[in-house]
Amino acid sequence: DTEVTQTPKHLVMGMTNKKSLKCEQHMGHRAMYWYKQKAKKPPELMFVYSYEKLSINESVPSRFSPECPNSSLLNLHLHALQPEDSALYLCASSHGLRQSSYNSPLHFGNGTRLTVT
Amino acid sequence: DAKTTQPNSMESNEEEPVHLPCNHSTISGTDYIHWYRQLPSQGPEYVIHGLTSNVNNRMASLAIAEDRKSSTLILHRATLRDAAVYYCILRGLTGSARQLTFGSGTQLTVLP
Repeated sequence: DTEVTQTPKHLVMGMTNKKSLKCEQHMGHRAMYWYKQKAKKPPELMFVYSYEKLSINESVPSRFSPECPNSSLLNLHLHALQPEDSALYLCASSHGLRQSSYNSPLHFGNGTRLTVT
Repeated sequence: DAKTTQPNSMESNEEEPVHLPCNHSTISGTDYIHWYRQLPSQGPEYVIHGLTSNVNNRMASLAIAEDRKSSTLILHRATLRDAAVYYCILRGLTGSARQLTFGSGTQLTVLP
């Protein structure tokens, strides 16, 4: 078990569907992250939130829409995805991005395995 | 951004020490060396990090070369549960270097 909880564990969606991935942590962390991982590849950073504000968007297509409603929750809204978006989506959190805490370890969830049909 | 180079794969026997190398010849003075591992069907897991001095924790030891251009993650007694992809990552002080950017990592196989 990890301290970062992601739901659902698995998701199958059609290209016209709208769905959301959810991530929750109760460690008091103020930075939260979305990563995407294709099979047999390393995770790739998508978004970073710091103090509930979007800090980094790694040129992710607009069909992925992140949301951070409060310091414990992070969502990823999905709309009009393509089959090539099928991947493991990983959420992570850390103490923060400020100079005093930027080097703190990231805590990852076990991901949502997304299949787009 | 500073990059790391790791062997694609390594094998170890159970209950023997494992030394996982990482080269980072373009490391800057403020870059920390981080190690994460990813077990099958799980998210990455933090292992250890350091700046200049060798570091030990309950999971592993990190040996950093004097010139900081390479480092070695040491698992003192490998178990079957240590079979994973091990990532060596540099984290810097500014800009995109602050983020955790994964390279291709080393797939460690532990033989019984």
